[in-house]
Amino acid sequence: AQKVTQAQTEISVVEKEDVTLDCVYETRDTTYYLFWYKQPPSGELVFLIRRNSFDEQNEISGRYSWNFQKSTSSFNFTITASQVVDSAVYFCALSGGHGGSQGNLIFGKGTKLSVKP
Amino acid sequence: GAGVSQSPRYKVAKRGQDVALRCDPISGHVSLFWYQQALGQGPEFLTYFQNEAQLDKSGLPSDRFFAERPEGSVSTLKIQRTQQEDSAVYLCASSRALDYEQYFGPGTRLTVT
Repeated sequence: AQKVTQAQTEISVVEKEDVTLDCVYETRDTTYYLFWYKQPPSGELVFLIRRNSFDEQNEISGRYSWNFQKSTSSFNFTITASQVVDSAVYFCALSGGHGGSQGNLIFGKGTKLSVKP
Repeated sequence: GAGVSQSPRYKVAKRGQDVALRCDPISGHVSLFWYQQALGQGPEFLTYFQNEAQLDKSGLPSDRFFAERPEGSVSTLKIQRTQQEDSAVYLCASSRALDYEQYFGPGTRLTVT
């Protein structure tokens, strides 16, 4: 079965601190995709990144970076120099081919990040 | 271009009433998904369409839940004889193809009293 675990329920940091959100996944598929989404207080899920299982290169986008390690089944997300606007719930998600259910996302429970000024 | 839109944004139903939730996907997106998000939880998959074909409805919690996308664009999620446990946010997402990023609408918050 596919599963995504985000062990950190809530994290609180002070502005300008770096913060890493952990994501561990389980799947028996050899081809799969990993995602991160942000859900601010307004409620709408915002797509951040998509990574396929064959691409283990780390990615950086501005203050955001992602570390994908297949050996530990982890796809961690780091925010550098956090800002108050980063306060949100962050979800890690997994999708993969398995019969006819390719494409639906399996979400973790989310990590609530609070950035204090 | 316009994102995914959903209506109504909020719906209050009395137990036993039927409700219909609408989703307008991004133009040209062939894949459409419905998810249910309970308070403090991640979204959970309900059903999936490829154009007008419903390819997976394994996540629908009961036969009171029904979804359709007759012309391969707008989709409607219908819940018959609503129960209190149906109270949740219902999210619609669309993507250009399988396994591509899904873009979510703002959701419909359903409260069953």
